[in-house]
Amino acid sequence: AQKVTQAQTEISVVEKEDVTLDCVYETRDTTYYLFWYKQPPSGELVFLIRRNSFDEQNEISGRYSWNFQKSTSSFNFTITASQVVDSAVYFCALHDFGGSQGNLIFGKGTKLSVKP
Amino acid sequence: EPEVTQTPSHQVTQMGQEVILRCVPISNHLYFYWYRQILGQKVEFLVSFYNNEISEKSEIFDDQFSVERPDGSNFTLKIRSTKLEDSAMYFCASSEILTDGYTFGSGTRLTVV
Repeated sequence: AQKVTQAQTEISVVEKEDVTLDCVYETRDTTYYLFWYKQPPSGELVFLIRRNSFDEQNEISGRYSWNFQKSTSSFNFTITASQVVDSAVYFCALHDFGGSQGNLIFGKGTKLSVKP
Repeated sequence: EPEVTQTPSHQVTQMGQEVILRCVPISNHLYFYWYRQILGQKVEFLVSFYNNEISEKSEIFDDQFSVERPDGSNFTLKIRSTKLEDSAMYFCASSEILTDGYTFGSGTRLTVV
């Protein structure tokens, strides 16, 4: 069965610290997509990244970087030099197709608090 | 940047009343979705819609729920007889192709009293 596990419920760091949010997924499909979304206190879901199962290259976007490792079914997200504005709930999600159109399966989220 | 627009942002309704949540997906998108998030919990899939029909629905999406695309732009979620446990944030999303990242709307917070 498809599943996304974000074992860290809450993380608190001090500004400028680096922080890594963990994501482990389960799927039987060989073709799937992984996502990260940010949910700030205002409540909307903000798309951060999409990665397909055939592309294991790590990605960096400014202070954000993602480490995709198929061998461990993990897609971890690192924020370098965290800022107060990074405070939010971060969701990892899996889209596989399970023989049908499929849909996004979300993890339970990790609440990140960055203190000044 | 194109947006998915949801209205209203917050709706309070009495138990047993019907509610319609409205969404305007991005204009060239073909796939539409509703998700919900009970306060403090994870985001859950409700239904997907393509080519004017439901493609897939979850166990949550029972007979009390329906979706419609009444014209070329709107995509609605109707809850016929609301229950207290329907209180949640409801997100509409759309995507241009099946494997694209979804663009989510900013959500409608539904409170059933």
